[in-house]
Amino acid sequence: SAVISQKPSRDICQRGTSLTIQCQVDSQVTMMFWYRQQPGQSLTLIATANQGSEATYESGFVIDKFPISRPNLTFSTLTVSNMSPEDSSIYLCSVRTVTDTQYFGPGTRLTVL
Amino acid sequence: SQQGEEDPQALSIQEGENATMNCSYKTSINNLQWYRQNSGRGLVHLILIRSNEREKHSGRLRVTLDTSKKSSSLLITASRAADTASYFCATDIEAGSYQLTFGKGTKLSVIP
Repeated sequence: SAVISQKPSRDICQRGTSLTIQCQVDSQVTMMFWYRQQPGQSLTLIATANQGSEATYESGFVIDKFPISRPNLTFSTLTVSNMSPEDSSIYLCSVRTVTDTQYFGPGTRLTVL
Repeated sequence: SQQGEEDPQALSIQEGENATMNCSYKTSINNLQWYRQNSGRGLVHLILIRSNEREKHSGRLRVTLDTSKKSSSLLITASRAADTASYFCATDIEAGSYQLTFGKGTKLSVIP
């Protein structure tokens, strides 16, 4: 299995500011992902975090709004830029292991005022 | 678009009863994974079932997969109040895509 930690666990931010979320996993994994879960909704994939190169974004998500870094196999960051109230969501880091099992972090609950 | 669709959307049962949740999907899959989410928290991985498997067990959980019907079910036996949560199925839509697509979830309430 993989144990994932995320920081911060929650934050309340002002409109127009940016927040960087950190994700750390306790073992080397094949893939790292960032998901968003809007209130009362299911999970939507934002992007795949690629080690040492630009992330691969899903339709509807762009690098300027959600820049992602992955400097090594066990760490990634997601920045939510120029935030608006519509960005209020839970942001989840996820990793896939060699057995194809995909684990999720505890999530970062973001509220934008 | 949603690949998996859970049914029912909400389920309320008494403690000790069994709970069955279903998941249907549209395209061929590599595997299907079930998760539990307690109110507003992260997802807990329950079971992964591969396309060539028909049934898997883990403790009080039993998952079945019928690829001909493109459906899966999650059975929780002898439910407990602590099982109260939302349950999601997620599918790998093709080998090598590494993208899980989630259903909308079933909200299970177990009444003590």
